[in-house]
Amino acid sequence: GAVVSQHPSWVICKSGTSVKIECRSLDFQATTMFWYRQFPKQSLMLMATSNEGSKATYEQGVEKDKFLINHASLTLSTLTVTSAHPEDSSFYICSARAGINYGYTFGSGTRLTVV
Amino acid sequence: AQSVTQLGSHVSVSEGALVLLRCNYSSSVPPYLFWYVQYPNQGLQLLLKYTTGATLVKGINGFEAEFKKSETSFHLTKPSAHMSDAAEYFCAVSSSNTGNQFYFGTGTSLTVIP
Repeated sequence: GAVVSQHPSWVICKSGTSVKIECRSLDFQATTMFWYRQFPKQSLMLMATSNEGSKATYEQGVEKDKFLINHASLTLSTLTVTSAHPEDSSFYICSARAGINYGYTFGSGTRLTVV
Repeated sequence: AQSVTQLGSHVSVSEGALVLLRCNYSSSVPPYLFWYVQYPNQGLQLLLKYTTGATLVKGINGFEAEFKKSETSFHLTKPSAHMSDAAEYFCAVSSSNTGNQFYFGTGTSLTVIP
């Protein structure tokens, strides 16, 4: 149980285009989802926290207009990188939790390369 | 406030040798502590976690960790390293009160030498 599916696993896009990454909880309802970014050889940095049906809470330094997060249902959250630039190239990982007393499950990550 | 320090960004051990990955935490509230493993270009897989109760926690793949409150540590160990253990390992702490996010350490890359 507690499986989180993240798609795509890798994507290459041209500079200036937008990319959408999906994070789905397959066998539980995720009231809260988290999006992390990981640069090479570095740890995971929390980008934003999204609660179903409300606006995401972004960490300091993360541009909310650039990284659009939608959590419209209890099983799906999306991260859209708008007007992507090469410096946005990174590994993006989502995690989900059914509720405050439940553990976290991580997706398999998305490798984004902007050329 | 919570934070995690992983001592040693790179650890090399011989196959069959003891694995010891160090993690110290800082937390103003009782912590939830986690160890995750990450293989190249993959997401994080939970190895084990400490919430409450027994301080020695056993996880998957033969790993275990001991929560030592007096030392604010949660070191990860495995008696005998396998080649398949080569990966990146992350220690993380979360608040038991709010539990609304993780704070990850910077990771330790484990190399297993045949």
